[in-house]
Amino acid sequence: DAGVTQSPTHLIKTRGQQVTLRCSPKSGHDTVSWYQQALGQGPQFIFQYYEEEERQRGNFPDRFSGHQFPNYSSELNVNALLLGDSALYLCASSLSNRIGETQYFGPGTRLLVL
Amino acid sequence: GENVEQHPSTLSVQEGDSAVIKCTYSDSASNYFPWYKQELGKRPQLIIDIRSNVGEKKDQRIAVTLNKTAKHFSLHITETQPEDSAVYFCAATHPNDYKLSFGAGTTVTVRA
Repeated sequence: DAGVTQSPTHLIKTRGQQVTLRCSPKSGHDTVSWYQQALGQGPQFIFQYYEEEERQRGNFPDRFSGHQFPNYSSELNVNALLLGDSALYLCASSLSNRIGETQYFGPGTRLLVL
Repeated sequence: GENVEQHPSTLSVQEGDSAVIKCTYSDSASNYFPWYKQELGKRPQLIIDIRSNVGEKKDQRIAVTLNKTAKHFSLHITETQPEDSAVYFCAATHPNDYKLSFGAGTTVTVRA
């Protein structure tokens, strides 16, 4: 049973560039959430996708956008990168649209913005 | 929105001793409280969770207790082992919320 996978594992970008991160959910899961984890902090919710739509969004600017595909995989896009966007980006998948469903995390993509 | 505070930020224990991490939450309607363990460079892994209709849950050396009146929940690790060394995060979910609101984490070091 495949767990949550993310790509790439590491990424280095410069300020102003754009980046796309990818996530494949755990087998059987249909909901994908994205979190940003700055060094030494807990994950912060960016948004959640269900049925190919953004269902809930955290306190992140419009530079952060996403997409979910029919196979439930998801992308996170960040435009006009800032130094402060450097972080570990975690994808979490869950089953169904019920609140309180267990979320399983992927290994993350570590983004460094220079 | 939900605000979760976690204490202590660091915890050092002797192997074999117990470790306790406490979290408080702000919204009394929150009803799901998972705990994640994150080893260095690894993904957060769910180790135990509890829902608001239960006061305590155990899984081998790990237990979680929930006090809804005081709005706090705690993780208890007994007979700690070196492999328990990691960062532990508590989280909470509100009934009208799909997101997990995380605490800032506790770095646990088990001394051999």
